[in-house]
Amino acid sequence: ETGVTQTPRHLVMGMTNKKSLKCEQHLGHNAMYWYKQSAKKPLELMFVYNFKEQTENNSVPSRFSPECPNSSHLFLHLHTLQPEDSALYLCASSQEVGQGSSPLHFGNGTRLTVT
Amino acid sequence: QKEVEQNSGPLSVPEGAIASLNCTYSDRGSQSFFWYRQYSGKSPELIMFIYSNGDKEDGRFTAQLNKASQYVSLLIRDSQPSDSATYLCAVNYGGSNYKLTFGKGTLLTVNP
Repeated sequence: ETGVTQTPRHLVMGMTNKKSLKCEQHLGHNAMYWYKQSAKKPLELMFVYNFKEQTENNSVPSRFSPECPNSSHLFLHLHTLQPEDSALYLCASSQEVGQGSSPLHFGNGTRLTVT
Repeated sequence: QKEVEQNSGPLSVPEGAIASLNCTYSDRGSQSFFWYRQYSGKSPELIMFIYSNGDKEDGRFTAQLNKASQYVSLLIRDSQPSDSATYLCAVNYGGSNYKLTFGKGTLLTVNP
Protein backbone atom coordinates (compact mmCIF):
# COMPACT_ATOMS: atom_id res chain seq x y z
CA GLU A 1 0.00 0.00 0.00
CA THR A 2 1.32 3.42 -0.91
CA GLY A 3 0.59 7.02 -0.03
CA VAL A 4 -1.22 8.32 3.01
CA THR A 5 -4.06 6.24 4.43
CA GLN A 6 -6.64 7.48 6.89
CA THR A 7 -9.21 5.51 8.85
CA PRO A 8 -12.07 5.61 9.34
CA ARG A 9 -13.38 7.41 6.26
CA HIS A 10 -16.54 8.45 8.07
CA LEU A 11 -17.25 8.84 11.76
CA VAL A 12 -20.37 9.86 13.63
CA MET A 13 -19.97 10.43 17.34
CA GLY A 14 -21.88 11.92 20.20
CA MET A 15 -20.58 14.76 22.25
CA THR A 16 -19.67 12.47 25.15
CA ASN A 17 -17.89 9.82 23.09
CA LYS A 18 -14.18 9.17 22.77
CA LYS A 19 -12.82 8.15 19.40
CA SER A 20 -9.53 8.19 17.52
CA LEU A 21 -8.55 8.95 13.95
CA LYS A 22 -5.65 7.07 12.45
CA CYS A 23 -3.21 8.05 9.73
CA GLU A 24 -0.43 5.99 8.19
CA GLN A 25 2.04 7.07 5.53
CA HIS A 26 4.09 4.76 3.33
CA LEU A 27 6.19 7.46 1.69
CA GLY A 28 9.20 7.43 3.99
CA HIS A 29 8.44 10.97 5.11
CA ASN A 30 9.52 12.44 8.42
CA ALA A 31 6.86 15.09 8.96
CA MET A 32 3.15 14.55 9.52
CA TYR A 33 0.31 16.99 9.90
CA TRP A 34 -3.34 17.23 10.91
CA TYR A 35 -5.54 19.70 9.04
CA LYS A 36 -9.20 20.57 9.53
CA GLN A 37 -11.37 21.46 6.53
CA SER A 38 -14.75 23.04 7.20
CA ALA A 39 -17.25 24.21 4.63
CA LYS A 40 -16.56 27.69 3.28
CA LYS A 41 -13.29 27.93 5.24
CA PRO A 42 -9.65 27.47 4.30
CA LEU A 43 -7.76 24.41 5.41
CA GLU A 44 -6.67 24.97 9.00
CA LEU A 45 -3.41 23.56 10.29
CA MET A 46 -3.89 21.84 13.64
CA PHE A 47 -0.70 19.97 14.52
CA VAL A 48 2.72 19.32 13.04
CA TYR A 49 5.13 16.52 13.93
CA ASN A 50 8.70 16.33 12.70
CA PHE A 51 10.65 13.14 13.44
CA LYS A 52 7.94 12.20 15.97
CA GLU A 53 8.30 15.47 17.87
CA GLN A 54 5.43 17.94 17.95
CA THR A 55 6.60 21.22 16.48
CA GLU A 56 3.29 23.02 16.13
CA ASN A 57 0.04 23.24 18.03
CA ASN A 58 -2.01 25.85 16.28
CA SER A 59 -4.07 26.85 19.33
CA VAL A 60 -6.17 23.71 19.06
CA PRO A 61 -8.62 22.99 21.92
CA SER A 62 -7.52 20.27 24.31
CA ARG A 63 -10.44 18.06 23.29
CA PHE A 64 -8.20 17.19 20.33
CA SER A 65 -5.13 15.23 21.38
CA PRO A 66 -2.54 14.12 18.82
CA GLU A 67 -0.16 11.20 19.13
CA CYS A 68 2.77 10.30 16.91
CA PRO A 69 4.42 7.04 17.98
CA ASN A 70 6.73 6.97 14.96
CA SER A 71 7.30 8.82 11.70
CA SER A 72 4.81 6.64 9.85
CA HIS A 73 1.81 6.83 12.16
CA LEU A 74 -0.26 9.68 13.47
CA PHE A 75 -3.38 9.62 15.61
CA LEU A 76 -5.91 12.23 16.63
CA HIS A 77 -7.75 11.36 19.82
CA LEU A 78 -11.14 13.00 20.21
CA HIS A 79 -13.20 13.50 23.36
CA THR A 80 -16.15 15.66 24.39
CA LEU A 81 -16.36 17.25 20.99
CA GLN A 82 -18.80 19.98 19.99
CA PRO A 83 -21.10 20.02 16.94
CA GLU A 84 -18.95 22.78 15.42
CA ASP A 85 -16.08 20.28 15.30
CA SER A 86 -17.88 18.47 12.50
CA ALA A 87 -15.57 18.71 9.49
CA LEU A 88 -13.23 16.82 7.19
CA TYR A 89 -10.00 15.97 9.02
CA LEU A 90 -7.05 15.56 6.73
CA CYS A 91 -3.74 13.98 7.50
CA ALA A 92 -0.71 14.92 5.43
CA SER A 93 2.97 14.11 5.28
CA SER A 94 6.05 15.69 3.79
CA GLN A 95 9.71 14.82 3.59
CA GLU A 96 10.65 17.07 6.46
CA VAL A 97 9.46 20.19 8.21
CA GLY A 98 11.56 23.18 7.19
CA GLN A 99 12.03 22.13 3.60
CA GLY A 100 9.94 24.69 1.77
CA SER A 101 10.19 22.72 -1.43
CA SER A 102 8.76 19.55 0.06
CA PRO A 103 5.09 19.32 -0.89
CA LEU A 104 2.38 17.91 1.29
CA HIS A 105 0.79 14.59 0.43
CA PHE A 106 -2.72 14.29 1.80
CA GLY A 107 -4.75 11.32 2.89
CA ASN A 108 -8.38 10.96 1.82
CA GLY A 109 -9.60 12.35 5.11
CA THR A 110 -12.08 11.39 7.80
CA ARG A 111 -15.51 12.99 7.55
CA LEU A 112 -16.47 13.61 11.18
CA THR A 113 -20.01 14.40 12.31
CA VAL A 114 -20.61 15.30 15.95
CA THR A 115 -24.21 14.89 17.07
CA GLN B 1 -2.45 37.74 10.37
CA LYS B 2 -1.12 36.18 7.21
CA GLU B 3 -3.85 35.73 4.62
CA VAL B 4 -4.31 34.09 1.27
CA GLU B 5 -7.20 35.35 -0.81
CA GLN B 6 -8.94 33.61 -3.68
CA ASN B 7 -12.14 34.31 -5.55
CA SER B 8 -14.47 31.52 -4.44
CA GLY B 9 -16.12 31.34 -7.85
CA PRO B 10 -17.63 29.39 -9.37
CA LEU B 11 -15.51 30.11 -12.42
CA SER B 12 -17.15 28.63 -15.46
CA VAL B 13 -15.29 28.16 -18.77
CA PRO B 14 -16.11 26.22 -21.93
CA GLU B 15 -14.14 23.15 -22.86
CA GLY B 16 -10.95 24.05 -24.69
CA ALA B 17 -10.71 27.55 -23.21
CA ILE B 18 -8.04 28.91 -20.89
CA ALA B 19 -9.01 28.99 -17.21
CA SER B 20 -7.28 31.63 -15.12
CA LEU B 21 -7.19 31.27 -11.35
CA ASN B 22 -5.80 34.02 -9.15
CA CYS B 23 -4.50 34.27 -5.63
CA THR B 24 -3.14 37.14 -3.55
CA TYR B 25 -1.21 36.93 -0.31
CA SER B 26 -0.48 39.38 2.46
CA ASP B 27 3.09 38.71 3.58
CA ARG B 28 5.97 39.93 1.42
CA GLY B 29 8.23 37.43 3.15
CA SER B 30 6.45 34.50 1.53
CA GLN B 31 8.89 32.06 -0.01
CA SER B 32 7.06 29.33 -1.87
CA PHE B 33 3.69 28.96 -3.48
CA PHE B 34 1.61 25.91 -4.27
CA TRP B 35 -1.49 25.06 -6.23
CA TYR B 36 -3.57 22.08 -5.11
CA ARG B 37 -6.58 20.58 -6.87
CA GLN B 38 -9.39 19.07 -4.83
CA TYR B 39 -12.18 17.09 -6.40
CA SER B 40 -15.45 16.97 -4.52
CA GLY B 41 -15.21 14.49 -1.67
CA LYS B 42 -11.50 13.91 -2.25
CA SER B 43 -8.28 15.13 -0.70
CA PRO B 44 -6.14 17.92 -2.15
CA GLU B 45 -3.45 16.90 -4.62
CA LEU B 46 -0.47 18.99 -5.65
CA ILE B 47 -0.60 20.50 -9.14
CA MET B 48 2.38 22.83 -9.17
CA PHE B 49 4.73 24.82 -7.00
CA ILE B 50 6.72 27.96 -7.79
CA TYR B 51 9.39 29.92 -5.94
CA SER B 52 10.76 32.48 -8.37
CA ASN B 53 9.15 35.38 -10.14
CA GLY B 54 7.94 34.60 -13.60
CA ASP B 55 6.24 31.65 -15.22
CA LYS B 56 6.58 27.93 -14.68
CA GLU B 57 4.99 25.55 -17.15
CA ASP B 58 4.03 21.91 -16.72
CA GLY B 59 1.94 20.46 -19.51
CA ARG B 60 -1.34 22.34 -19.74
CA PHE B 61 -0.66 24.17 -16.47
CA THR B 62 1.28 27.41 -16.03
CA ALA B 63 1.94 29.02 -12.67
CA GLN B 64 2.77 32.71 -12.62
CA LEU B 65 4.35 34.52 -9.68
CA ASN B 66 4.70 38.26 -9.14
CA LYS B 67 6.21 38.91 -5.72
CA ALA B 68 6.15 42.70 -6.13
CA SER B 69 2.38 42.62 -6.59
CA GLN B 70 1.97 39.68 -4.20
CA TYR B 71 -0.06 37.49 -6.48
CA VAL B 72 0.24 34.06 -7.93
CA SER B 73 -1.94 32.62 -10.66
CA LEU B 74 -2.62 29.32 -12.35
CA LEU B 75 -3.50 29.06 -16.02
CA ILE B 76 -5.05 25.90 -17.40
CA ARG B 77 -4.88 25.68 -21.19
CA ASP B 78 -7.26 23.56 -23.25
CA SER B 79 -9.52 23.10 -20.23
CA GLN B 80 -11.23 19.73 -19.95
CA PRO B 81 -14.35 18.72 -18.00
CA SER B 82 -12.04 16.58 -15.85
CA ASP B 83 -10.39 19.81 -14.68
CA SER B 84 -13.61 20.72 -12.87
CA ALA B 85 -12.60 20.93 -9.22
CA THR B 86 -11.74 23.35 -6.45
CA TYR B 87 -8.26 24.83 -6.78
CA LEU B 88 -6.48 25.75 -3.57
CA CYS B 89 -3.69 28.28 -3.40
CA ALA B 90 -1.21 27.75 -0.57
CA VAL B 91 1.62 29.97 0.60
CA ASN B 92 4.61 28.99 2.71
CA TYR B 93 5.59 31.87 4.93
CA GLY B 94 8.87 30.24 5.75
CA GLY B 95 10.58 30.21 9.09
CA SER B 96 11.93 27.18 10.84
CA ASN B 97 8.67 25.29 10.58
CA TYR B 98 7.06 24.39 7.33
CA LYS B 99 3.60 25.81 7.43
CA LEU B 100 1.26 26.38 4.59
CA THR B 101 -1.53 28.92 4.69
CA PHE B 102 -4.33 27.97 2.35
CA GLY B 103 -6.88 30.09 0.56
CA LYS B 104 -10.55 29.07 0.56
CA GLY B 105 -10.25 27.79 -2.98
CA THR B 106 -11.81 28.61 -6.34
CA LEU B 107 -14.42 26.26 -7.79
CA LEU B 108 -13.78 25.73 -11.49
CA THR B 109 -16.41 24.26 -13.78
CA VAL B 110 -15.46 23.32 -17.35
CA ASN B 111 -18.53 22.93 -19.53
CA PRO B 112 -18.48 20.40 -22.39
